[in-house]
Amino acid sequence: DIQMTQSPSSLSASVGDRVTITCRASQYIGINLNWYQQRPGKAPKLLIYRATSLQSGVQAGFSGSGSGTDFTLTISSLQREDFATYYCQQSFSTPHNFGQGTRLEIK
Amino acid sequence: EVQLVESGGGLVQPGGSLRLSCEGSGFIFSSHGMTWVRQAPGKGLEWVSGISESGATTYFADSVEGRFTISRDNSRNTVYLQMNSLRAEDTAVYYCARVTGAWQLDYWGQGSLVTVSS
Repeated sequence: DIQMTQSPSSLSASVGDRVTITCRASQYIGINLNWYQQRPGKAPKLLIYRATSLQSGVQAGFSGSGSGTDFTLTISSLQREDFATYYCQQSFSTPHNFGQGTRLEIK
Repeated sequence: EVQLVESGGGLVQPGGSLRLSCEGSGFIFSSHGMTWVRQAPGKGLEWVSGISESGATTYFADSVEGRFTISRDNSRNTVYLQMNSLRAEDTAVYYCARVTGAWQLDYWGQGSLVTVSS
């Protein structure tokens, strides 16, 4: 099975900050990497698919990069509603494992 | 509007069984694979199982292989997760999600809580 490791596990930042979350796969996954946002008590929401493609309806401040084993999610200017937990997920081979999550908190 | 509505969760004793259902609407159900993802209290997301558009191909996490089965009835726009030999560690909110493209999950249900306890 492919293991996904995110860093950091938690992050404190301020409104307007630029933040980057990284995700590393334990083996090659091409660009089969997705990012989700989850707010407390809510279902996850797809942000980025195939490493770099912005899901329809998602604000332009989110971007993704990477290929192979190393990936990043960048939020260019934090808004209050962006404080949530973020998960990466590989969809290269089953089981389509998630990373452990990165909790983004207000500083 | 795409909607996914889960049902069937509840309290079950260890060793017991439960069947979750997820009914989709607002899209052509038979054109999409479907997936179940769970989240234990205070924990992260865990991919559980997936099924192809026709139901011919199914996939499972190691943690549920042999205990859980996934199926679908495209005439009812519904996917099922049959859970047998339940354990305390299966306690979680179970989400169904629609698969699109390269198996990304673009729509999610609201979740159904399964509690395994005596």
